[in-house]
Amino acid sequence: DGGITQSPKYLFRKEGQNVTLSCEQNLNHDAMYWYRQDPGQGLRLIYYSQIVNDFQKGDIAEGYSVSREKKESFPLTVTSAQKNPTAFYLCASAPDRADYGYTFGSGTRLTVV
Amino acid sequence: GDSVTQMEGPVTLSEEACLTINCTYTATGYPSLFWYVQYPGEGLQLLLKATKADDKGSNKGFEATYRKETTSFHLEKGSVQVSDSAVYFCALSDRNSARQLTFGSGTQLTVLP
Repeated sequence: DGGITQSPKYLFRKEGQNVTLSCEQNLNHDAMYWYRQDPGQGLRLIYYSQIVNDFQKGDIAEGYSVSREKKESFPLTVTSAQKNPTAFYLCASAPDRADYGYTFGSGTRLTVV
Repeated sequence: GDSVTQMEGPVTLSEEACLTINCTYTATGYPSLFWYVQYPGEGLQLLLKATKADDKGSNKGFEATYRKETTSFHLEKGSVQVSDSAVYFCALSDRNSARQLTFGSGTQLTVLP
């Protein structure tokens, strides 16, 4: 079955460490997105990519980095520069059609310990 | 720019009550409109969509009609169940944009038995 897979589901990070969240899709979608969600809050866009080897900053890119070396993969690194990284992170993908919407992964919950 | 305004929550209803969650939008182009649902600890799932004026999206007893004259896409269900307890997000996709979805802030629904 086609879908989008995020891993791990839970991740713990010590202060000062970088961590990488995985996002893989086999839907042949062109675009991929990373969102952050804080408790009781909406979605905030971190980064997005419309094609391989290209990506753009979203609204809250500081302290995060991404790469898009393959169409299927869009990993997110939470760097030590991100001062408050504890949150729920959602990855999504979409084809080149405005009427399709996004397909979301099941999320990664990151906690700083 | 594009924006989506959702009815603020939380909303608490008794089982079998009627539900309406208001959603209005602002867009410069001709957007497609979506409702997503998020169950606790999970990613977002597409609930329904409408791609042009007067279209009605429906799924799992939920309905929403694309009203261009009032720029609205209100979510309705005639009889809610405990299992409908979730967060509901309204979103739009503008054909003239970079295919990003613009989300509302989400509405928490709790249905009591």
